[in-house]
Amino acid sequence: AQSVAQPEDQVNVAEGNPLTVKCTYSVSGNPYLFWYVQYPNRGLQFLLKYITGDNLVKGSYGFEAEFNKSQTSFHLKKPSALVSDSALYFCAVRVAGGGNKLTFGTGTQLKVEL
Amino acid sequence: DGGITQSPKYLFRKEGQNVTLSCEQNLNHDAMYWYRQDPGQGLRLIYYSQIVNDFQKGDIAEGYSVSREKKESFPLTVTSAQKNPTAFYLCASSPRQGERMNTEAFFGQGTRLTVV
Repeated sequence: AQSVAQPEDQVNVAEGNPLTVKCTYSVSGNPYLFWYVQYPNRGLQFLLKYITGDNLVKGSYGFEAEFNKSQTSFHLKKPSALVSDSALYFCAVRVAGGGNKLTFGTGTQLKVEL
Repeated sequence: DGGITQSPKYLFRKEGQNVTLSCEQNLNHDAMYWYRQDPGQGLRLIYYSQIVNDFQKGDIAEGYSVSREKKESFPLTVTSAQKNPTAFYLCASSPRQGERMNTEAFFGQGTRLTVV
């Protein structure tokens, strides 16, 4: 079975400060990892993904994530947060060779304040 | 423009009725998914389909049914057996495994279903 954990329901950060949204995963096999963002009453927008290669992945809107195999983590980061980054963030995993099942975490609400 | 279209955006259902949510994509993707979103529970997989005329149950399939007669379409029926259907429903699609498997899934804008 594959699963994703996002241990924080909400993360608060001041504008201009760095932000981190945590994600850990559990799979049997090699993971493909994704981050998505959701604004109220909208679908999910893709931010970035890790497939293979460099552990530091850069994505849209200045976001990046670091894949850590030993800690089974894929934390989302941004060096300087903006108020407009406030949204719901989801981490997701798919297993290489495991069909197309895509499993999401429970989401983390990011609130960036002035 | 290529994308995924869900309709309607808002749907109201009386108790005991079946309703069908539409999902259409023109991305030429083989795989399609239905998720249910409830506050604090994230996205839970209802059904997914990797190819036409084939689909698999996800984690919460009870009370739901799907069909995949065309590559472009993956409608979801919420039956009267679903005891708590009020939720936000999201449809997604992606290339099938073996075909750019590492490409991300694309999502529709969602349908909010309310039981009245």
